[in-house]
Amino acid sequence: NAGVMQNPRHLVRRRGQEARLRCSPMKGHSHVYWYRQLPEEGLKFMVYLQKENIIDESGMPKERFSAEFPKEGPSILRIQQVVRGDSAAYFCASSPRLPADPYNEQFFGPGTRLTVL
Amino acid sequence: QKEVEQNSGPLSVPEGAIASLNCTYSDRGSQSFFWYRQYSGKSPELIMFIYSNGDKEDGRFTAQLNKASQYVSLLIRDSQPSDSATYLCAVNFKRAGSYQLTFGKGTKLSVIP
Repeated sequence: NAGVMQNPRHLVRRRGQEARLRCSPMKGHSHVYWYRQLPEEGLKFMVYLQKENIIDESGMPKERFSAEFPKEGPSILRIQQVVRGDSAAYFCASSPRLPADPYNEQFFGPGTRLTVL
Repeated sequence: QKEVEQNSGPLSVPEGAIASLNCTYSDRGSQSFFWYRQYSGKSPELIMFIYSNGDKEDGRFTAQLNKASQYVSLLIRDSQPSDSATYLCAVNFKRAGSYQLTFGKGTKLSVIP
């Protein structure tokens, strides 16, 4: 059973370009979460999605950031017009259970390290 | 503001000793608590979770939860150099009608051979 998959593992963009990060959850997991980790900082929740629905995007900046989890294919985190402050590690996690479930274990992918020049 | 606090360390212990990692959280209504291990440059790896007061053991790891004190800890027995990593405490907080996993900044553990 493959784990959570993310690609690319490293992404370099120039200021103003778009970054597109992909995440395929573990088999049987329908709940996907995106987190951002800045150097020497903790993981920060960004968005929670189920298939075809954004459930909670309260941690995601209102501008330039968007996320989707289509019926077919991976979840996508899109950052438009990137700035240097977007440089960070972006992790995707998946779970087979609802967030309110006490057993809501989240399993993380390897992450995408975004560098904005 | 719902928060999770951890001592950033580094915490240094000799090989074979017990490492004790501590975490406090602000929301008394929290129900589930998780410990993750993160090696430098890698992704967080789930070690164990706990949701009832008391101790939960898994191999060399023991999680302890005290909801009255809003305190959760992780003990690592017979520490090995391979245990050297940053340990993240995470709490499932209810925010604005939804639950979110909130992470502490982590405690860096160094096991000295």
